[in-house]
Amino acid sequence: DGGITQSPKYLFRKEGQNVTLSCEQNLNHDAMYWYRQDPGQGLRLIYYSQIVNDFQKGDIAEGYSVSREKKESFPLTVTSAQKNPTAFYLCASSGTYNSNQPQHFGDGTRLSIL
Amino acid sequence: AQSVAQPEDQVNVAEGNPLTVKCTYSVSGNPYLFWYVQYPNRGLQFLLKYITGDNLVKGSYGFEAEFNKSQTSFHLKKPSALVSDSALYFCAVRDLGDMRFGAGTRLTVKP
Repeated sequence: DGGITQSPKYLFRKEGQNVTLSCEQNLNHDAMYWYRQDPGQGLRLIYYSQIVNDFQKGDIAEGYSVSREKKESFPLTVTSAQKNPTAFYLCASSGTYNSNQPQHFGDGTRLSIL
Repeated sequence: AQSVAQPEDQVNVAEGNPLTVKCTYSVSGNPYLFWYVQYPNRGLQFLLKYITGDNLVKGSYGFEAEFNKSQTSFHLKKPSALVSDSALYFCAVRDLGDMRFGAGTRLTVKP
């Protein structure tokens, strides 16, 4: 079955530490996205990538970084500069950016601060 | 700029009764509209979409949505609710740019 795999499911970060969230898709999609979900606020876009070796900032990119070296993979690093990282992080993909097709989502990573 | 609003944080219905989850949108062009459902500690699952054509769109699990251009609404409906429909529902809109999600509506179906 094709889909999106996010790992780990739960992650804990110490103060001053960078952590990396993994996102892998086998849907052969060009576009990939990272969202942050906080209670009552819906989903907010962190970064997106329209194609390999390209990525763009979303609405809340400060304190985060990404890479897109392979079509299948779009890892997100939460840096120590992100002062309030506790949230549920969702990765998504779609065939192309700006498509009329729905985005497909992974099952998320819940990040907490120790 | 495009945006989407879900005016109700919470909707409660009894099992077997019809349900409606409301969504209104604002876009500069013709909208692509979507509904997703989220169960606890899971990602979003696609339910249905409106691109063009018939105003009544049918989707997964017996859900449907009605596109109303004059009211800029895209309400999610189901004729007979199930306890298993209890979840968080998100409306989303895509115009020429990013996908924008509403804040979500928590649906609770009571036996």
